[in-house]
Amino acid sequence: QVQLQESGPGLVKPSQTLSLTCTVSGGSISSGDYYWSWIRQPPGKGLEWIGYIYYSGSTYYNPSLKSRVTISVDTSKNQFSLKLSSVTAADTAVYYCARGVVVPAAMSPWGQGTLVTVSS
Amino acid sequence: DIQLTQSPSFLSASVGDRVTITCRASQGISSYLAWYQQKPGKAPKLLIYAASTLQSGVPSRFSGSGSGTEFTLTISSLQPEDFATYYCQQLNSYPPEWTFGQGTKVEIK
Repeated sequence: QVQLQESGPGLVKPSQTLSLTCTVSGGSISSGDYYWSWIRQPPGKGLEWIGYIYYSGSTYYNPSLKSRVTISVDTSKNQFSLKLSSVTAADTAVYYCARGVVVPAAMSPWGQGTLVTVSS
Repeated sequence: DIQLTQSPSFLSASVGDRVTITCRASQGISSYLAWYQQKPGKAPKLLIYAASTLQSGVPSRFSGSGSGTEFTLTISSLQPEDFATYYCQQLNSYPPEWTFGQGTKVEIK
């Protein structure tokens, strides 16, 4: 079955760029009508959708983060990536990647999540 | 933008209780509403999609219903492993944004 795994630095300095990669195994990132998504969860808080990328490269971002977010895909490595620029302490969160399906508008599976702390 | 509001935000219940969580949309949405369960330190897990369809492997004590602006998740007989936080989620048709409810934490009474 399809599995997702996040990877990247666990500590990022303020004003720098957070970079994470999600590796998809058990299936091709290019197959199917899927929206490869990033979601985050600040400590003790709820879930916030960051954005998604379609295998063709089309992207859509949460308007509240749009100016700082870039999501890209590398089909040759079966990976998609997140870059969030100009980070502050408010960007400290567990970051998840997930596979989204437009119909019936659900996300499954999810990666296990990775904690990114923004601190000097 | 469509907002999802869950109620209650916190729920204290006993093993065996019937539990209902409500998710209200700020405007009418399709039936493409999903429910997730999240346990501490774990990723959310899809329970129900399309408002009432149980994801494979999810126990039948979980059920979902609703349409339009009001949706419910029901646990018919709460089990110890069901103590968790539950989120509803929907996808706007346009703009194509995913939205989550704020979550409902179910704790042991």
